[in-house]
Amino acid sequence: EAEVAQSPRYKITEKSQAVAFWCDPISGHATLYWYRQILGQGPELLVQFQDESVVDDSQLPKDRFSAERLKGVDSTLKIQPAELGDSAMYLCASSWGLAGSSYNEQFFGPGTRLTVL
Amino acid sequence: GESVGLHLPTLSVQEGDNSIINCAYSNSASDYFIWYKQESGKGPQFIIDIRSNMDKRQGQRVTVLLNKTVKHLSLQIAATQPGDSAVYFCAETIQGGSEKLVFGKGTKLTVNP
Repeated sequence: EAEVAQSPRYKITEKSQAVAFWCDPISGHATLYWYRQILGQGPELLVQFQDESVVDDSQLPKDRFSAERLKGVDSTLKIQPAELGDSAMYLCASSWGLAGSSYNEQFFGPGTRLTVL
Repeated sequence: GESVGLHLPTLSVQEGDNSIINCAYSNSASDYFIWYKQESGKGPQFIIDIRSNMDKRQGQRVTVLLNKTVKHLSLQIAATQPGDSAVYFCAETIQGGSEKLVFGKGTKLTVNP
């Protein structure tokens, strides 16, 4: 069964350092999402891609966060510099993104657990 | 702003009992709702969904009820098993748009053997 892949699974870094997370969506999925999940809360959308284009990055802290999906397949989320409050689970999800369909189910990866010291 | 909240943060049941997990939503424009299950160290997993033109939908051992009048939905799990222990989230979205999911805070279900 196809799955969304993420790496690394765990990352520990010191504040002010740069970190990067990688996501490989299910093959053929046009839409890719990055979510942040603080412990005890539900995921919150950071950025949404349709192919290589950003559809929604309204909740992305653009002074320190960046995301790219250059070839419309895999994606990288970067934080520079990391702050203590960035400690969270970073989840990637993908969907077919078919225009006109009733709903495109999102499939989630296992996440990257980030700890900032 | 948009938000989806839950009534209880934790729920503990005995194996074999039925479980009911509740969720309140605030965006009256939302027309599609999904329940997710998240086990420790894993990403959310789709359980069941319901569209706003329905008030009940059944799956295998799970039922979702939607009450648009009071903006409330619930997840019922029949004959709860230890493997059902997880955090359950409801999420809302508007179909045909960006399909951005808005999640609630989650309810942690513990099933005691």
